[in-house]
Amino acid sequence: DVKVTQSSRYLVKRTGEKVFLECVQDMDHENMFWYRQDPGLGLRLIYFSYDVKMKEKGDIPEGYSVSREKKERFSLILESASTNQTSMYLCASSAPGTGNYGYTFGSGTRLTVV
Amino acid sequence: SQQGEEDPQALSIQEGENATMNCSYKTSINNLQWYRQNSGRGLVHLILIRSNEREKHSGRLRVTLDTSKKSSSLLITASRAADTASYFCASEGAGSYQLTFGKGTKLSVIP
Repeated sequence: DVKVTQSSRYLVKRTGEKVFLECVQDMDHENMFWYRQDPGLGLRLIYFSYDVKMKEKGDIPEGYSVSREKKERFSLILESASTNQTSMYLCASSAPGTGNYGYTFGSGTRLTVV
Repeated sequence: SQQGEEDPQALSIQEGENATMNCSYKTSINNLQWYRQNSGRGLVHLILIRSNEREKHSGRLRVTLDTSKKSSSLLITASRAADTASYFCASEGAGSYQLTFGKGTKLSVIP
């Protein structure tokens, strides 16, 4: 069964901490994405990557960075966590052109910054 | 990027009834997709309709696309309690692999 795995379901971090959210896919997909989901705001794209060592800013990249050293792994980094980064974070992957398959999402990481 | 909008924001129906959700988007698209999200979980891809298609079926799902109105609808027939979830449309912009998601319709199916 194809999968996108996010390392943590729930995470609590303190303000100012550096936070790493990990995402691994086993489908050999080129494209990987990080979204955050907030009530009333839907899903908003933070960063995406079309290839190893490649990254592009999405709609709300401020306060975040990413790393893609290997094709299967896409990490989201909160450089200095703040309370307004409390959110559900969703990782997704897709093959080029999405074809008929769309995105495959992980189960999400609910991050609380205190 | 501009988000699309789903309508209604919430929908409550009895088991066995049909549920219709609508979606509007703002730009030219390659395709439009629908996803389902159970509470607190990730999104699951349901169906994709290309910009040159007008209607598509998958099991109890029927999707229509009207590119002249920049709108789509998702029909779930003979709903079940297990269909209770949030449903999102997502448009893939022309020339892009990125999806722009709407804010979702929360569907409640009452047994």
